[in-house]
Amino acid sequence: DAKTTQPPSMDCAEGRAANLPCNHSTISGNEYVYWYRQIHSQGPQYIIHGLKNNETNEMASLIITEDRKSSTLILPHATLRDTAVYYCIVRLNTNAGKSTFGDGTTLTVKP
Amino acid sequence: EAGVAQSPRYKIIEKRQSVAFWCNPISGHATLYWYQQILGQGPKLLIQFQNNGVVDDSQLPKDRFSAERLKGVDSTLKIQPAKLEDSAVYLCASSRRGAGETQYFGPGTRLLVL
Repeated sequence: DAKTTQPPSMDCAEGRAANLPCNHSTISGNEYVYWYRQIHSQGPQYIIHGLKNNETNEMASLIITEDRKSSTLILPHATLRDTAVYYCIVRLNTNAGKSTFGDGTTLTVKP
Repeated sequence: EAGVAQSPRYKIIEKRQSVAFWCNPISGHATLYWYQQILGQGPKLLIQFQNNGVVDDSQLPKDRFSAERLKGVDSTLKIQPAKLEDSAVYLCASSRRGAGETQYFGPGTRLLVL
C-alpha cells in the first residue's frame, strides 16, 4: 500500500472551510484514498473515500487531482467539534488492502 | 446499530504482568482488527481476523502478544509478559466483509505499564 504525506498541524477559524492536503505520489491505479479522523480519546472515525472522482457526503468533500498524486479533504464550515487528528490513507479496496496510518494532521478549529 | 465495544477502558499494570483486552465487533461484521496506538502516532495494525481465521499478523510481537477470535465474533488480545513500551491505546475495529470495507473503531483500551 502507498505511503501518504500530511502536514503535522493546521489551524482553521470556526465557520470557515478547512482544507486538509494529502500527498500520495506513489499511489497505484486501483488504490483508493480514505480519510478518517480521531477526536481526542476516541477511536478513529470514517469520513469519506474515493478513487478518481471527487466525492461529497454529509461530513466532507474529497477532491482528488487528475493524476491522483494528491488529494484535499474539505470541511466546508468547520466547527470546534471538528478539532481532531485527520488521517489520509491509500489502500486497495480488497481483502489484500491494509490501512496503514501515518501520524496525520492535527486540525485545531479556533473560535 | 450498536458500535464496537471494548473493555476495559483503562488498565494499569506493572511490567512483567499479563493483561487481556476484550472486543465485541458490530453484529454481523466478519472482519476484526486490533491496532496499537502509541501516544502521538497513528494506529498500527497488530492482527486482522476474517471470521475466526487470521489474515494478517505480520506486525504482532508473537513472543508476548496473542489474540484469538473464537466462533468468529468476540476477540481477546493478551500481552504476557508486558513491557514498558507496551504502554499505548489498543483499538479494536470491525468491517462488514473484508479489508476492502470501511472500518468502524471502538473507543480503545488505554494501557499503562509501570
